[in-house]
Amino acid sequence: AQSVTQPDIHITVSEGASLELRCNYSYGATPYLFWYVQSPGQGLQLLLKYFSGDTLVQGIKGFEAEFKRSQSSFNLRKPSVHWSDAAEYFCAVGPYGNEKLTFGTGTRLTIIP
Amino acid sequence: DAGVIQSPRHEVTEMGQEVTLRCKPISGHDYLFWYRQTMMRGLELLIYFNNNVPIDDSGMPEDRFSAKMPNASFSNLKIQPSEPRDSAVYFCASSSDSTDNEQFFGPGTRLTVL
Repeated sequence: AQSVTQPDIHITVSEGASLELRCNYSYGATPYLFWYVQSPGQGLQLLLKYFSGDTLVQGIKGFEAEFKRSQSSFNLRKPSVHWSDAAEYFCAVGPYGNEKLTFGTGTRLTIIP
Repeated sequence: DAGVIQSPRHEVTEMGQEVTLRCKPISGHDYLFWYRQTMMRGLELLIYFNNNVPIDDSGMPEDRFSAKMPNASFSNLKIQPSEPRDSAVYFCASSSDSTDNEQFFGPGTRLTVL
């Protein structure tokens, strides 16, 4: 069975500082991996996704993620956060095709001035 | 495209009443997913459809919950009778083969059962 672990429930960073959100997955084959962001009162929006190829994936809003098969990780990074990045971030894993995704429990990001 | 449309955005009802949540997927998408989000349990998949047919309803909590997709452009999720523990935000999402598993989420319906 597939599973996703986001070990950090809540992270606080200063505006302008770098950010890394952790995601570890368990999946039997090559996974499809996603990062979604949810702003307060909103639905989830896709930041980036990985299927194959280059293990460093660029997304929207200046985010990137690196797939590391040996560590079963897909961590999300941003070199310099902005106050508007405050939100909840979800990592998800799924099989090829449009079957169900398994979401992590989310990491809430707080930005301080 | 208008994106995934959900209605109502907010619903307040009393325990025992029937609740109907509605979803219009993105045109051309043939997968539709219903999720529930709570602080305690996070984001849970309730049921999903492919070409209007339910594929996996193992996440539906109990018989009080039912979902239908009568056509490609509409789905509803019903709770009858509703209970306070059903209070949550319910999301609908859609996708297609051309989106490579990317699911597009609606804004959600915040349900409060008193």
